[in-house]
Amino acid sequence: GEDVEQSLFLSVREGDSSVINCTYTDSSSTYLYWYKQEPGAGLQLLTYIFSNMDMKQDQRLTVLLNKKDKHLSLRIADTQTGDSAIYFCAAYSSASKIIFGSGTRLSIRP
Amino acid sequence: GAVVSQHPSRVICKSGTSVKIECRSLDFQATTMFWYRQFPKQSLMLMATSNEGSKATYEQGVEKDKFLINHASLTLSTLTVTSAHPEDSSFYICSASGGGLSSYEQYFGPGTRLTVT
Repeated sequence: GEDVEQSLFLSVREGDSSVINCTYTDSSSTYLYWYKQEPGAGLQLLTYIFSNMDMKQDQRLTVLLNKKDKHLSLRIADTQTGDSAIYFCAAYSSASKIIFGSGTRLSIRP
Repeated sequence: GAVVSQHPSRVICKSGTSVKIECRSLDFQATTMFWYRQFPKQSLMLMATSNEGSKATYEQGVEKDKFLINHASLTLSTLTVTSAHPEDSSFYICSASGGGLSSYEQYFGPGTRLTVT
């Protein structure tokens, strides 16, 4: 079945860009997502990209998709303290289920 | 955007009792609802998928007799943890799709933290 992997931690300085990377295994995944989870809260859908797209930008967020390598990234420009959270990469698998990665904990240092 | 609520947000119960968690779609009709479980500092694991008016489909390894799921209406699904034990303590999150949303669009509730003492 689908497997989604991402690094567990990322620390960036406030004002810098954050780049969170993710790989997935199911090449037939049609949609790929980025969710944000703040402590004790549910998941907030940040953005998603369809598999026939290479890039999607929405304000400070840029998603890049390399379908050949099955690699997805999320870039957050001008990272702020409010961006501290866990970011989950997810893929809509051929089994019509959303499969989540383990989450990347983003911490911001002053 | 589509809004999904969960109730309660936090519950503490004693071992051996049952607890019910509600998931509601507030502004759309959810033909499909999903229940996930999240252990501390871990990812979300899909427990089951429920379609309105039919039996839930459980993922491998999830006990259907322990985690009872009912999706009796297009806006409400419930998860009942029966005879709860401390190892059932977890964060339970539901999501919903349908009502004009494509199946790849799922909106998540805020989660319910269950603690079994």
